[in-house]
Amino acid sequence: DTEVTQTPKHLVMGMTNKKSLKCEQHMGHRAMYWYKQKAKKPPELMFVYSYEKLSINESVPSRFSPECPNSSLLNLHLHALQPEDSALYLCASSRGAGGSDTQYFGPGTRLTVL
Amino acid sequence: GENVEQHPSTLSVQEGDSAVIKCTYSDSASNYFPWYKQELGKRPQLIIDIRSNVGEKKDQRIAVTLNKTAKHFSLHITETQPEDSAVYFCAANRFNQGGKLIFGQGTELSVKP
Repeated sequence: DTEVTQTPKHLVMGMTNKKSLKCEQHMGHRAMYWYKQKAKKPPELMFVYSYEKLSINESVPSRFSPECPNSSLLNLHLHALQPEDSALYLCASSRGAGGSDTQYFGPGTRLTVL
Repeated sequence: GENVEQHPSTLSVQEGDSAVIKCTYSDSASNYFPWYKQELGKRPQLIIDIRSNVGEKKDQRIAVTLNKTAKHFSLHITETQPEDSAVYFCAANRFNQGGKLIFGQGTELSVKP
């Protein structure tokens, strides 16, 4: 398996809802990432997990809570989001979190916050 | 911190022509430069990358050149086809940045048949 998968593809939620995004890879990669992407803009890094430990948090609001249950899975728990959080949420993985490790992206979850 | 500038923001070419997209970076310690292609509604896909120990890399119709002295790198697409139409992002990373890719703002390439 050479792909990163994400579920769900689309998610609509209200500002009081709690939901989770899921990401999975079976390439044996030890680094996983969450990015947020607005239309026609580059991906913005949110979190990096390296060997299942959170190594980078780009000052993301606490309404976004990442979790890495094991080396193949990455979750993003969402709570009390704002309409401006509507975006494409991309997961990525790489062999390691080194500077020259290629990152492979999943297809993303299109999130709409009402 | 690192800053990556990408030009042009939009590029329109005729099918069969070449397309060139340029990026400059600020951090001389950056040593890895990937290029991603993102079609509408799809994931960013790596199309080519280059590491700082080489000056050029080619893969069929796609090539990337790197000038470390001037701190810029370029994507060259020859014999463009309509399916090359997409947004292209350059990025830079350094060995001790923990996987933190710094992206350019993107180039929307349109190939007209």
